[in-house]
Amino acid sequence: AQSVTQLGSHVSVSEGALVLLRCNYSSSVPPYLFWYVQYPNQGLQLLLKYTSAATLVKGINGFEAEFKKSETSFHLTKPSAHMSDAAEYFCAVKGGYNKLIFGAGTRLAVHP
Amino acid sequence: IAGITQAPTSQILAAGRRMTLRCTQDMRHNAMYWYRQDLGLGLRLIHYSNTAGTTGKGEVPDGYSVSRANTDDFPLTLASAVPSQTSVYFCASSDSIFGTDTQYFGPGTRLTVL
Repeated sequence: AQSVTQLGSHVSVSEGALVLLRCNYSSSVPPYLFWYVQYPNQGLQLLLKYTSAATLVKGINGFEAEFKKSETSFHLTKPSAHMSDAAEYFCAVKGGYNKLIFGAGTRLAVHP
Repeated sequence: IAGITQAPTSQILAAGRRMTLRCTQDMRHNAMYWYRQDLGLGLRLIHYSNTAGTTGKGEVPDGYSVSRANTDDFPLTLASAVPSQTSVYFCASSDSIFGTDTQYFGPGTRLTVL
């Protein structure tokens, strides 16, 4: 069965600092992996996805993630945080036929 | 504007009452999904539909039912609401059933069962 674990339910960074949100996955087959962002009182929107092409995936708003099979990781990074990046971030893996299995989420706070 | 609409935005409901959450998409996507979001648990799949006329159970289907009479609509019904069904409910859709396509989410319905 597939699963994801997001390390750290809350992450706080200064504006301009590196953002690193951690995600580890478990999958018995080559995984498809996703990062979604949820702004307050909104639905989720896709940041980026890995579907077995390039291991470094670039997404919207300057985010990127690197698929590392040896570490079973798919961490999300952004070189320089902006106040508008404050949101909740969810890592997800394709599970079964067409379902997404989500991690518990990481709330990112950005302070001046 | 293309996308997914959900109604109502929020609802307070007495335990034991029946409630239907509505979801409509105008993107002509084949697949649709219902998730519930609870603090510390992320999103969990309740039911899904790969195409009009078919539905399937997700991770937490008990106490919920769905129907998919046409491509656009995917209502979620709570036959007899209980307090543990207090949650935020998200409807989503995707263009294919193969899992690599993006799932698009609606704005959510915040449901409180007292």
